[in-house]
Amino acid sequence: EIVLTQSPGTLSLSPGERATLSCRASQSVRSSYLAWYQQKPGQAPRLLIYGASSRATGIPDRFSGSGSGTDFTLTISRLEPEDFAMYYCQQYGSSRITFGQGTRLEIK
Amino acid sequence: QVQLQQSGPGLVKPSETLSLTCIVSGGSISTYYWSWIRQPPGKGLEWIGYFHYRGSTNYNPSLKSRVTISVDTSKNHFSLKLSSVTAADTAVYYCARGTSSWFWGNWGQGTLVTVSS
Repeated sequence: EIVLTQSPGTLSLSPGERATLSCRASQSVRSSYLAWYQQKPGQAPRLLIYGASSRATGIPDRFSGSGSGTDFTLTISRLEPEDFAMYYCQQYGSSRITFGQGTRLEIK
Repeated sequence: QVQLQQSGPGLVKPSETLSLTCIVSGGSISTYYWSWIRQPPGKGLEWIGYFHYRGSTNYNPSLKSRVTISVDTSKNHFSLKLSSVTAADTAVYYCARGTSSWFWGNWGQGTLVTVSS
């Protein structure tokens, strides 16, 4: 099983600032099969990034993903008020799909 | 625009079987990748299992002995059955679709299933 560890657990920032979220895998993620989701309270997750760096349809370009192997990053270039939420990474490179435990992005 | 509409009971007794259905509209279930994912209250996401339109299925090893995902192409829906439930199975259950692999761009609305007598 590939364990995904997200850091930090909570990130406190202000609108307009840059957010950098990390996802580290316990072993290499095949073909960079890594996705990022945003989840707000009471809602289903929303796909942001797949393939480590490809933006999903309709996702603003302030969201970007990078990384390969075991280290991946989600960057939000300039935070908007609606970006404060939970973020999860997910790997789909192995037959046992796993998620990270999440990073809470909160308003400072 | 594909939509996934979930149905099923919100309360299940311990030791019984949890059953949920995901009805797909605006697209055929005979294509793409379909999954169930759950989220215990206040916790993170856990993948339950998936099936691929070409017939393959795969389940989370931690749940495999209790899970069945089935497809009814005539009704364009797929279902989840989880047997011998306990309080630890209390969660919001989601169905989801992936168009090119096992990441999910379309989700159902979620169903909170509580296991309690």
